[in-house]
Amino acid sequence: GIQVEQSPPDLILQEGANSTLRCNFSDSVNNLQWFHQNPWGQLINLFYIPSGTKQNGRLSATTVATERYSLLYISSSQTTDSGVYFCAVEESGGYQKVTFGTGTKLQVIP
Amino acid sequence: EAQVTQNPRYLITVTGKKLTVTCSQNMNHEYMSWYRQDPGLGLRQIYYSMNVEVTDKGDVPEGYKVSRKEKRNFPLILESPSPNQTSLYFCASSFQVSSLQHFGDGTRLSIL
Repeated sequence: GIQVEQSPPDLILQEGANSTLRCNFSDSVNNLQWFHQNPWGQLINLFYIPSGTKQNGRLSATTVATERYSLLYISSSQTTDSGVYFCAVEESGGYQKVTFGTGTKLQVIP
Repeated sequence: EAQVTQNPRYLITVTGKKLTVTCSQNMNHEYMSWYRQDPGLGLRQIYYSMNVEVTDKGDVPEGYKVSRKEKRNFPLILESPSPNQTSLYFCASSFQVSSLQHFGDGTRLSIL
């Protein structure tokens, strides 16, 4: 099956700093999503982004499907951004399955 | 309010005692799925359903059953739970597999 790798696995930021999280996938995908798991365990969808670039406030995401990667940008980080960020893909080929990466754990300190 | 509802949120039980975790969505979504989350392994898909009466195995289906008799409900059944099924479980739904997924708040299961 498809492999999904995220980097870095852990990240500590000072409040106000910017960061880039990366998601690499090993095969063609039909779609890609980014999620934030907050410290209470809830999974919040951030972006549905099979290709191109999207922005939502301080967050933006870019997927380059032909090169099999996606980037999540967090600007002017806040303590509420802390948690784990996951990307998830649906592999092409009609499999209908979703595969998650192992996540990037982000801690934003005041 | 559009939501995915899981019950129970927490459960401690013993090996071999059958249990069911319910999942219900009110968004008329066709695609529903179950995941388990374990430290260091991220989320892994257990089963998914593309519509009523259509289900298929994900990456870790062993020891689990599901059913999809109605569009809104997708229960996860552990016929004979074992300690290695202790985990955090999430149910999710979307219009199709290739659309934005909405997650429930999770169910933490402990099998002693």
